[in-house]
Amino acid sequence: KAGVTQTPRYLIKTRGQQVTLSCSPISGHRSVSWYQQTPGQGLQFLFEYFSETQRNKGNFPGRFSGRQFSNSRSEMNVSTLELGDSALYLCASSPWTGSNQPQHFGDGTRLSIL
Amino acid sequence: TQLLKQSPQFLSIQEGENLTVYCNSSSVFSSLQWYRQEPGEGPVLLVTVVTGGEVKKLKRLTFQFGDARKDSSLHITAAQPGDTGLYLCAYRTSNTGNQFYFGTGTSLTVIP
Repeated sequence: KAGVTQTPRYLIKTRGQQVTLSCSPISGHRSVSWYQQTPGQGLQFLFEYFSETQRNKGNFPGRFSGRQFSNSRSEMNVSTLELGDSALYLCASSPWTGSNQPQHFGDGTRLSIL
Repeated sequence: TQLLKQSPQFLSIQEGENLTVYCNSSSVFSSLQWYRQEPGEGPVLLVTVVTGGEVKKLKRLTFQFGDARKDSSLHITAAQPGDTGLYLCAYRTSNTGNQFYFGTGTSLTVIP
């Protein structure tokens, strides 16, 4: 069974640009969550999508947005990039949404802002 | 706000030693998950604990959920270099805006 696939693995952008990251969940999984991981703040929840609807949102500015398609694939967009957006962006999928649902993570997209 | 505090933050031990890492909070959890993240990879779920006082074993790893469901510990017996990684505890709130919160993490290095 294929795992969660994130593309691209590495990305370099400059301040002010925008970026779109992609996540393909495990087949049959309908919930996709996005996280930002930095050395200083650790792993922080960005948002969760379930059945093409944003279910939950973390404490991030509106520059961070996402969407989910009918095949459960998800994209995350960050506009007007800032230096502080440099991080590992992780996507996780689960069959359903709920507190006991295990999160299956991809290997992330490493975003560097110059 | 860090609702889950893990300790120690860093740990470097020799192969064969035992260790315990902790995950503490002032909040009560309905369940708690432990993940391990190896360099260059995403976190991988190790276990979910649900019942206060519960003990779960995964080979040389022993997980315990506190009686009051506010804390948890992970004990590794006879650590091996393959245990090296970042250990994270996590829980999901069940109230409005429910989302996953991850702990601050314990970075473990096992030296051969």
